[in-house]
Amino acid sequence: SQQGEEDPQALSIQEGENATMNCSYKTSINNLQWYRQNSGRGLVHLILIRSNEREKHSGRLRVTLDTSKKSSSLLITASRAADTASYFCATEPYSSASKIIFGSGTRLSIRP
Amino acid sequence: GAVVSQHPSWVICKSGTSVKIECRSLDFQATTMFWYRQFPKQSLMLMATSNEGSKATYEQGVEKDKFLINHASLTLSTLTVTSAHPEDSSFYICSARAGQLNTEAFFGQGTRLTVV
Repeated sequence: SQQGEEDPQALSIQEGENATMNCSYKTSINNLQWYRQNSGRGLVHLILIRSNEREKHSGRLRVTLDTSKKSSSLLITASRAADTASYFCATEPYSSASKIIFGSGTRLSIRP
Repeated sequence: GAVVSQHPSWVICKSGTSVKIECRSLDFQATTMFWYRQFPKQSLMLMATSNEGSKATYEQGVEKDKFLINHASLTLSTLTVTSAHPEDSSFYICSARAGQLNTEAFFGQGTRLTVV
């Protein structure tokens, strides 16, 4: 089962621009996580934001969480060609602690 | 970050045979391991959650007799695809986490299974 939907499904921007991806989910959560996946590879953990947090930063990444709207966003600033990948949000549902359920993902392409 | 090793990275097998995929946490003890399946250009679908020493919890629609999961130790979980068929061809990914609430999960590099 999938918990979340992400939009856009695909995003193509020029190198140097900022990329914003959104994630919406359905049930109450303990936390929300963002992952990155290069084609045909495993996933790399980017950021975990807890349900009582509203914003978190890590380098060029900024994540927000709005539990009232059941949504999150991932902002990548000053994008680079190497940021080209698929990005997934994943939630740990409050009712099913220890499960991690993934959203549909956004395919990000950075044009040099 | 912590390392999760998944083996093999790819496998081709004949229809009707069984395939075992291993997932190891190399530098931490994994209280929980997850198995996911991913079709091309799609998201990861959770198949099952396993805790060391207990039976795996399968998601709705996943056949437990078809996908056997064993989590015999705190560092090893295996997924066996029994009597594989071409429709089982997919990318299988494991992940492991050391704690429960609010801890990140670390992912293996995935196994691409092709059944011919």
